[in-house]
Amino acid sequence: QQQVKQSPQSLIVQKGGISIINCAYENTAFDYFPWYQQFPGKGPALLIAIRPDVSEKKEGRFTISFNKSAKQFSLHIMDSQPGDSATYFCAAPEAAGNKLTFGGGTRVLVKP
Amino acid sequence: DTEVTQTPKHLVMGMTNKKSLKCEQHMGHRAMYWYKQKAKKPPELMFVYSYEKLSINESVPSRFSPECPNSSLLNLHLHALQPEDSALYLCASSQDPGSNQPQHFGDGTRLSIL
Repeated sequence: QQQVKQSPQSLIVQKGGISIINCAYENTAFDYFPWYQQFPGKGPALLIAIRPDVSEKKEGRFTISFNKSAKQFSLHIMDSQPGDSATYFCAAPEAAGNKLTFGGGTRVLVKP
Repeated sequence: DTEVTQTPKHLVMGMTNKKSLKCEQHMGHRAMYWYKQKAKKPPELMFVYSYEKLSINESVPSRFSPECPNSSLLNLHLHALQPEDSALYLCASSQDPGSNQPQHFGDGTRLSIL
């Protein structure tokens, strides 16, 4: 089973700062790497996703950077806000398809 | 509000009870999933349905029985559960089972086994 290693486990950042979460994956022939945001009592919500034919994708304050040769991708949250306080999961598809393997999660706390 | 609706939101049951969790989506998605999530852990895949047929069972104990009556509905039947089965059960759907498409999650059913 493919592993996805996510770091750090938790992160505290001041309002207006940058939150950076990293993920590393093992071999994959598939082409889709999503990030999910989960608030307490809610299900994971798709935040942003990238395909490996691009090295970076930006949506608002959220940016994914992708390094295919290193099998790593990261999420940057610019100008972090208290409302961004949540748990973030990266994910990568397994070779069998339809199977997403999630990273261990990063709990982000943005202090006002 | 999510486009994947799960009911009930909370469920408390004894180990001898039989209950069912329900999931519904009207996005025309043809792949549907059940995940189990323990506190402070990532979701773990349990089952995948593709075009209403069970395509993946992640060695889930038989006390969990999935059912997909039609392309919009997914059920999870529960019987003789154990206290360690207490968790958040998440349903998800995606557009096309044959390719990697975003999975959209419901808000889950919080299950407590007494």
